[in-house]
Amino acid sequence: EADIYQTPRYLVIGTGKKITLECSQTMGHDKMYWYQQDPGMELHLIHYSYGVNSTEKGDLSSESTVSRIRTEHFPLTLESARPSHTSQYLCASRPSGYNSPLHFGNGTRLTVT
Amino acid sequence: QQQVKQSPQSLIVQKGGISIINCAYENTAFDYFPWYQQFPGKGPALLIAIRPDVSEKKEGRFTISFNKSAKQFSLHIMDSQPGDSATYFCAASMKETSGSRLTFGEGTQLTVNP
Repeated sequence: EADIYQTPRYLVIGTGKKITLECSQTMGHDKMYWYQQDPGMELHLIHYSYGVNSTEKGDLSSESTVSRIRTEHFPLTLESARPSHTSQYLCASRPSGYNSPLHFGNGTRLTVT
Repeated sequence: QQQVKQSPQSLIVQKGGISIINCAYENTAFDYFPWYQQFPGKGPALLIAIRPDVSEKKEGRFTISFNKSAKQFSLHIMDSQPGDSATYFCAASMKETSGSRLTFGEGTQLTVNP
C-alpha cells in the first residue's frame, strides 16, 4: 500500500552514536520532506528538498543533515545522537504542481538512551 | 511562529455525534487549506481540502467550512464513528517561488466512543 518507505521502524540507540534514517519513494516525486513529531503530536518541518542535489533547512532547527543524490532517496543523518533527539521522524513526498497532496511514510520512532 | 492555530487539542464524541475541529490562520496569502488524518502508528494522510474561493466542501461525512473574512476554517465529521478516532491536522499553504510548503496546526486527537 505505502509508496514511501521508512526504515528502521523503531530504533533504540546509545548517546554519541551516528545514525541514518532511510526514506525512499517509488512515485518519482521531486519534493521530499522530513518532519519531526513529538508526543504532543505537532509536526515540525526540519528538512526539505525540491529535487536532486537540492536540500534546505526547515522551520525547526535540527542537528541532523540530509542528502538527495537520487530522486527516490532522502536519508537523514545524525552524526552524534543525544537523548534530546528522541522523537518520531516522518518522511513525506509530493509531486510537482501546486496543491499536490503530501504522501507520508509510517515514520521511524527513535529513542536515544 | 505558529501561523495556523488549531483547537481543541483533544475531543471526545459519542458514536453518531458531530465532531467539530477549528483552525485559524494569520497569513492572508494562504490559499490552500487541507486536512490530514493520522491513525496510530501511521503517517498522516490527506482527508479533504478546500480553496478560499468556496465556503464549503463536502466529501461523504466530512465537510470543511471556510470563513475567509474571519480567517477561520473548520472540519465537521457527521455521524462520527469509532473508526474516525485519529489525530486530525489542519494545514495551509501558499504559492512560493520555490514551491508550496504546508504549515500544520497543532493537531486534534479525536476519540469516538461506541
